[in-house]
Amino acid sequence: GAVVSQHPSRVICKSGTSVKIECRSLDFQATTMFWYRQFPKQSLMLMATSNEGSKATYEQGVEKDKFLINHASLTLSTLTVTSAHPEDSSFYICSASLLETQYFGPGTRLLVL
Amino acid sequence: EDKVVQSPLSLVVHEGDTVTLNCSYEVTNFRSLLWYKQEKKAPTFLFMLTSSGIEKKSGRLSSILDKKELFSILNITATQTGDSAIYLCATPGGSQGNLIFGKGTKLSVKP
Repeated sequence: GAVVSQHPSRVICKSGTSVKIECRSLDFQATTMFWYRQFPKQSLMLMATSNEGSKATYEQGVEKDKFLINHASLTLSTLTVTSAHPEDSSFYICSASLLETQYFGPGTRLLVL
Repeated sequence: EDKVVQSPLSLVVHEGDTVTLNCSYEVTNFRSLLWYKQEKKAPTFLFMLTSSGIEKKSGRLSSILDKKELFSILNITATQTGDSAIYLCATPGGSQGNLIFGKGTKLSVKP
């Protein structure tokens, strides 16, 4: 149980395009999901908290207009990186909460050329 | 300010050795302490600890929490090369329960 999936696992895009990443809780409902970003050899950095049916809460320094989060259902949250630039290249990971534990998706590796 | 501190930051051992990873925490409203293992992809869940003194065990891995000293350890016995990973300790903090992570301990097990 407690499986979280992410799609795509890897994406390469051109600078200026937008990329959507999906995070799904497969066998449980999650009212809260979290989006993280991880640069090489660094720890996970929380970007935003996604709540089903309401606006996401963004961490300081994270641009909400650039990283659009939609939590349309209890099993799906999406992160859209708008007008991507090479500095947005990173490993994006989502997690979903179940009974005080967070379960992580496998991550999406984004490369912006 | 809520924080989690892990030590050591890195550790190199040989197969068969036993290792102990440390995690200390300070959080305003403690709920639980979580251990994760991160290899090349996203972290995978190992343990959740909520009560002091009760050891959680899974195979060669075990963990225990001391809520008085605000401390947890993760033990790995008879280490194998497949145990090589970054081990993360975290605790929910903030109003929405987002995880506060330590920097992790990078464990390398040599054959």
